[in-house]
Amino acid sequence: SQTIHQWPATLVQPVGSPLSLECTVEGTSNPNLYWYRQAAGRGLQLLFYSVGIGQISSEVPQNLSASRPQDRQFILSSKKLLLSDSGFYLCAWSVAGGPYEQYFGPGTRLTVT
Amino acid sequence: KNQVEQSPQSLIILEGKNCTLQCNYTVSPFSNLRWYKQDTGRGPVSLTIMTFSENTKSNGRYTATLDADTKQSSLHITASQLSDSASYICVVSLYSGAGSYQLTFGKGTKLSVIP
Repeated sequence: SQTIHQWPATLVQPVGSPLSLECTVEGTSNPNLYWYRQAAGRGLQLLFYSVGIGQISSEVPQNLSASRPQDRQFILSSKKLLLSDSGFYLCAWSVAGGPYEQYFGPGTRLTVT
Repeated sequence: KNQVEQSPQSLIILEGKNCTLQCNYTVSPFSNLRWYKQDTGRGPVSLTIMTFSENTKSNGRYTATLDADTKQSSLHITASQLSDSASYICVVSLYSGAGSYQLTFGKGTKLSVIP
């Protein structure tokens, strides 16, 4: 069966510090991968999605970036965090090629102080 | 503009009671509609997914309905349990061309079930 992992589970970082969140998927090949952010009291916002290694599409301009160095690994990064980057970050995967079910990871709670 | 509106924003019900959550959307061209349950501090988990041709789908005590003509969906929870306390998110998928699909998320309804 497929499993999606995210780490860390929680993170407190000062403004201006770098960020690296990691997501890995097991039990499937060539998935579509997604990064979402969920701010308090707001809906999920798609940040990035990837249909293959090295292929990243950005949905929202910001100081975040994403990379997919391996088929089942998706990384969300920032060189300098802003207060507004605080939120709940979710990674998700789906089968490629259609409007298939998206399966979400457990999430990372990021607090920028 | 593609939008998904959910109501109510929050709801408190007694354990054992039924409730219905609403979702209205303006997404076009419509591909499918999903309901997710999100426990506090956890990732969303899928409850149901319905295509254009389906007007009802059940998953245990959860029953989703879809009226593609009026662009409305509802999620009915029967005999609520304390574990049903969560946010329920309506998500509509649209076909954005060239084999690509885009999801539009509602802000969710926060349900609290009290003893």
